[in-house]
Amino acid sequence: GQQLNQSPQSMFIQEGEDVSMNCTSSSIFNTWLWYKQDPGEGPVLLIALYKAGELTSNGRLTAQFGITRKDSFLNISASIPSDVGIYFCAGRGGSNYKLTFGKGTLLTVNP
Amino acid sequence: GAVVSQHPSRVICKSGTSVKIECRSLDFQATTMFWYRQFPKQSLMLMATSNEGSKATYEQGVEKDKFLINHASLTLSTLTVTSAHPEDSSFYICSASWGTDSGYTFGSGTRLTVV
Repeated sequence: GQQLNQSPQSMFIQEGEDVSMNCTSSSIFNTWLWYKQDPGEGPVLLIALYKAGELTSNGRLTAQFGITRKDSFLNISASIPSDVGIYFCAGRGGSNYKLTFGKGTLLTVNP
Repeated sequence: GAVVSQHPSRVICKSGTSVKIECRSLDFQATTMFWYRQFPKQSLMLMATSNEGSKATYEQGVEKDKFLINHASLTLSTLTVTSAHPEDSSFYICSASWGTDSGYTFGSGTRLTVV
């Protein structure tokens, strides 16, 4: 089946620093989604990408849908303590609506 | 918009009993709902996909007789964990979609503990 490799697995940064994480796939995806999950909560959608090459921003967050349709990255600029959490990439490919999730990136921001 | 409500948020049950978890789309009609299971410090694992009015499609390795899914209306799907055992303890999350390119809104999850 489809697999997503998400990296890094975890990051420890200082408040104010920029963050970058990415996902790569062994197969093509039609949609890339980035979610943030806080402990004990469901994932919250941050950015959705629908076209190869698409670059989309949401406040301090920027994500891109790779040209090959097999990768995506998420950047967070000027991190703040509330950015702490687990970030998941997810991709949808083929004719079904199922999402494949990456293993997540745990972000810790030191004030 | 696109709010999904999941209830209960936490439940503790005795081994051998059944537990029902509800997932409601509050402000849209969900043509498809998904049920996930998440173990601590791991990613979400898709259990099944349900479309309104039809039988759920289960992922390989998920017991359909143990995890009963009902999607009786465009705004409600339920997951019933039957004859629960301690190994069924987990975080269960639903998500809902209203179309091909929709953003898949997630519920807030249900922490199930079987004692």
